[in-house]
Amino acid sequence: EPEVTQTPSHQVTQMGQEVILRCVPISNHLYFYWYRQILGQKVEFLVSFYNNEISEKSEIFDDQFSVERPDGSNFTLKIRSTKLEDSAMYFCASSPDSNNEQFFGPGTRLTVL
Amino acid sequence: AQSVTQLGSHVSVSEGALVLLRCNYSSSVPPYLFWYVQYPNQGLQLLLKYTSAATLVKGINGFEAEFKKSETSFHLTKPSAHMSDAAEYFCAVTTSDTGRRALTFGSGTRLQVQP
Repeated sequence: EPEVTQTPSHQVTQMGQEVILRCVPISNHLYFYWYRQILGQKVEFLVSFYNNEISEKSEIFDDQFSVERPDGSNFTLKIRSTKLEDSAMYFCASSPDSNNEQFFGPGTRLTVL
Repeated sequence: AQSVTQLGSHVSVSEGALVLLRCNYSSSVPPYLFWYVQYPNQGLQLLLKYTSAATLVKGINGFEAEFKKSETSFHLTKPSAHMSDAAEYFCAVTTSDTGRRALTFGSGTRLQVQP
């Protein structure tokens, strides 16, 4: 069964460093999403991406964040200058169309020291 | 704007007992509603979804949920709990507005199943 994959599973970085979190969505899906879950808190929407552009973003998704689909398979989330409060589990999700369910990856745990 | 409230951050049941996890939503347009389950150190797995078809929705692992518009509720039930059901459960809502598919999640309910 096809699934969303994410790498790395765990990333540790120093405050102020740039990180890139990678996701490979399910191959025939057209809609891509990033969510995050700070430890002990609810899952929060960051951004959605369709047709090579951002279709929706939350207020969390400020200028420190960017997303890209550099090729036909990867979908990346870049955090330019990480802060302690960026420590969280980041989930990628994809969907075949806007009316369908979102399939989630296993997540990348980001730890900012 | 949309929101989800899950009553009870922790629910404990005995194996074989009824599971009832509560979810109430708020949405200014017709909602799509979902229940996801998260096992320890894993991602989110869809249990079931409501997208304006039948109001009683059956999902995987014997779970079902009923959409009640008058009560703005989408409670998750399972007639008989199994030890393997121990996990965190998230209710989520999105709107039927085209192009707006961001999921808004509740704060989650941790289900504990006692032997």
